[in-house]
Amino acid sequence: DTGVSQDPRHKITKRGQNVTFRCDPISEHNRLYWYRQTLGQGPEFLTYFQNEAQLEKSRLLSDRFSAERPKGSFSTLEIQRTEQGDSAMYLCASSPQGGVNQPQHFGDGTRLSIL
Amino acid sequence: GIQVEQSPPDLILQEGANSTLRCNFSDSVNNLQWFHQNPWGQLINLFYIPSGTKQNGRLSATTVATERYSLLYISSSQTTDSGVYFCAVRTTDSWGKLQFGAGTQVVVTP
Repeated sequence: DTGVSQDPRHKITKRGQNVTFRCDPISEHNRLYWYRQTLGQGPEFLTYFQNEAQLEKSRLLSDRFSAERPKGSFSTLEIQRTEQGDSAMYLCASSPQGGVNQPQHFGDGTRLSIL
Repeated sequence: GIQVEQSPPDLILQEGANSTLRCNFSDSVNNLQWFHQNPWGQLINLFYIPSGTKQNGRLSATTVATERYSLLYISSSQTTDSGVYFCAVRTTDSWGKLQFGAGTQVVVTP
């Protein structure tokens, strides 16, 4: 049973560029979550998918951010027109069926640095 | 929204010492998890413990949901225990979002 996989591990880009991250959840986990973590803080929730449906979005997810999970398997998170404040670790988590009271398992994250 | 408070914010331990980390939360929860974030940033699941007591090696955790707190015990600490320990909870009005505390930074010295 492989864990949650995220790609890339690190991304350095110039302000104003678009970036896309990918998350592959644990096999057969139908619930997928994105979080953002800035230095010295705990992770903050961004969005949640159940299968391909995006069921919950945080107010942190501005209109420059979009997340998809088209086939209910992997997910992508895109940030358009990146800003300095977008520099953070982006974490993906997944959990199995059986209700929302299941533990979430996190990937190693994508660290984004905006120059 | 729910408030999650962790204490202490920082902890320095000598190798072999025991410690207790606390997590208080302000509302009813259906899910509580403890995580260890190592110096490389990896977030490792320690416990899924919405209530009761669990043990895993040198670590154990207790959640008293009716009194809205959870405790994480580290016994015979090792340098590899260094890192940040997070408590995270899910409230009854959420699809699955976890609300994290600010964490406890633990440094174990040889």
